[in-house]
Amino acid sequence: ETGVTQSPTHLIKTRGQQVTLRCSSQSGHNTVSWYQQALGQGPQFIFQYYREEENGRGNFPPRFSGLQFPNYSSELNVNALELDDSALYLCASSFKVDEQFFGPGTRLTVL
Amino acid sequence: AQSVTQLDSQVPVFEEAPVELRCNYSSSVSVYLFWYVQYPNQGLQLLLKYLSGSTLVESINGFEAEFNKSQTSFHLRKPSVHISDTAEYFCAVSDSSNDYKLSFGAGTTVTVRA
Repeated sequence: ETGVTQSPTHLIKTRGQQVTLRCSSQSGHNTVSWYQQALGQGPQFIFQYYREEENGRGNFPPRFSGLQFPNYSSELNVNALELDDSALYLCASSFKVDEQFFGPGTRLTVL
Repeated sequence: AQSVTQLDSQVPVFEEAPVELRCNYSSSVSVYLFWYVQYPNQGLQLLLKYLSGSTLVESINGFEAEFNKSQTSFHLRKPSVHISDTAEYFCAVSDSSNDYKLSFGAGTTVTVRA
């Protein structure tokens, strides 16, 4: 059984650019959640997708957007990058509400 | 809305000594509680969880946590730590008020020394 995978592992962008991060969910999981983990902090919930529909959103601006595909993989898009967007972005997949399985994350650096 | 407070940001401990990581939460409804561990440059791994039933939950690698509803706490303990337990530990809570989305604490860094 393949776990949650994310790509790319690392990414360097400059302010104002756009970025797309990708996540493949664990087999059988229909829900994907995205989190932002700034250095030295706990993960913050960005949004969740359930069966291709957004199912809840945290306190993040609209320039953070996402998609979920029919195979339940997902993308996180961030437009107009700011320096404060530098963080580890974590994807988690789940089938039930009582456990989420996390990927290794994508480290985004904005210069 | 729920929130999580991890009372210790850093916990240095000697090998084979006990360790306790403190976690308090606030929520107005029944909660699910979790402890996740993050090793350097890795994602989060679930250590243990409380959903219902027995208030004492255990992991396969010797950690345990006790749900205390009256004190709104879910402290994590291990009676004897190993060097390999050096990591960051996150307490998290979810409940029905926000459709079971996870809210995390700021984390506790555990450094085990020989």
